[in-house]
Amino acid sequence: QQKVQQSPESLIVPEGGMASLNCTSSDRNVDYFWWYRQHSGKSPKMLMSIFSNGEKEEGRFTVHLNKASLHTSLHIRDSQPSDSALYLCAAHSNVGDNSKLIWGLGTSLVVNP
Amino acid sequence: EAAVTQSPRNKVAVTGGKVTLSCNQTNNHNNMYWYRQDTGHGLRLIHYSYGAGSTEKGDIPDGYKASRPSQENFSLILELATPSQTSVYFCASGDAYWGSQNTLYFGAGTRLSVL
Repeated sequence: QQKVQQSPESLIVPEGGMASLNCTSSDRNVDYFWWYRQHSGKSPKMLMSIFSNGEKEEGRFTVHLNKASLHTSLHIRDSQPSDSALYLCAAHSNVGDNSKLIWGLGTSLVVNP
Repeated sequence: EAAVTQSPRNKVAVTGGKVTLSCNQTNNHNNMYWYRQDTGHGLRLIHYSYGAGSTEKGDIPDGYKASRPSQENFSLILELATPSQTSVYFCASGDAYWGSQNTLYFGAGTRLSVL
């Protein structure tokens, strides 16, 4: 069972629209989250990170984190065709010497012109 | 920005053959990782390293070996390649230990087909 669940699996939004992606962990040891973006045929690249409760905004991208529910969300406003990609959520599970990074399966976003 | 270079970018191997995937990073990061990415499984950690001379098993190490001869270089070795190892392999480096806010920087990937 995936310990990091992402939803939806795929999402289609029109150009200029808002895209909202979700990520929840079932691992109570998770403390940090990242969002990585992977364009087709390319490698993942870190988009945003969030380590404390609340909201963080960088340009068109906003990320929220609720540590109590281990839920993070990524919102992309004014979506552009260049935002079409696989969005991966990664969570750090802090278990001392066995700390690890857990990856979700991703949300495939398509922005239609 | 961190620079991680993988070679080869594409590789076709025969079943039972030996395959070596190479990775070089130029940002003096201590930690390096090998992942494979498959549809339905996402990114899975094969081996990682905390520095020159160290290698650690990840979540799916069976059938793979790793070597970290220097700070810059980290190799993944398939001694006896099998078709189930057909995948896209990513090398990554990071500037801190797991327990901190460690961003990973990925190479461009190697697409391996084992026939």
